[in-house]
Amino acid sequence: GEDVEQSLFLSVREGDSSVINCTYTDSSSTYLYWYKQEPGAGLQLLTYIFSNMDMKQDQRLTVLLNKKDKHLSLRIADTQTGDSAIYFCSDFSSNTGKLIFGQGTTLQVKP
Amino acid sequence: DTEVTQTPKHLVMGMTNKKSLKCEQHMGHRAMYWYKQKAKKPPELMFVYSYEKLSINESVPSRFSPECPNSSLLNLHLHALQPEDSALYLCASRSENQPQHFGDGTRLSIL
Repeated sequence: GEDVEQSLFLSVREGDSSVINCTYTDSSSTYLYWYKQEPGAGLQLLTYIFSNMDMKQDQRLTVLLNKKDKHLSLRIADTQTGDSAIYFCSDFSSNTGKLIFGQGTTLQVKP
Repeated sequence: DTEVTQTPKHLVMGMTNKKSLKCEQHMGHRAMYWYKQKAKKPPELMFVYSYEKLSINESVPSRFSPECPNSSLLNLHLHALQPEDSALYLCASRSENQPQHFGDGTRLSIL
């Protein structure tokens, strides 16, 4: 079945860049998403990329997509303590009409 | 502006109680979703409504009963819940070929 995998934990220092990686298996993916979840809150849509794009940049966020390897990454430039959260990579499956989530990467930003 | 509003934010109920969770969106989205999320885990899909009709039920126990009275409103009726049903319940909505937008959730505790 369709699967999304991401590493569980990343720790960086304030001001550094963070890179969160994700791999997926669904060959029918149309959109791939990054959601951020702060403690006690819902999921906030950070950014998304259409499957025929290679890169998308939005202020401090850069998404890179390698469709051949089914690899997605999220780079956060100049990481701040407010970026500490769980980041979910997800893939919308056009086969099932469902959003498939990775396990989430906890980003810890040290001052 | 994208906004999905969920009420109540917190709910504590006994195993014999009946309560309802409410979700509202005024973005004209025709697909609405209920998810269950345990701490530090990704959301798990429960139900999908498309054009006010139930299109996906992920084999959810009958003690959870969804209802979509109109295109802006989604309810989740709860009855005879178990302690393991304690979780964050998230509602989401989307329009065609667009990302899902999530509410902040209802944190449910079963005594």
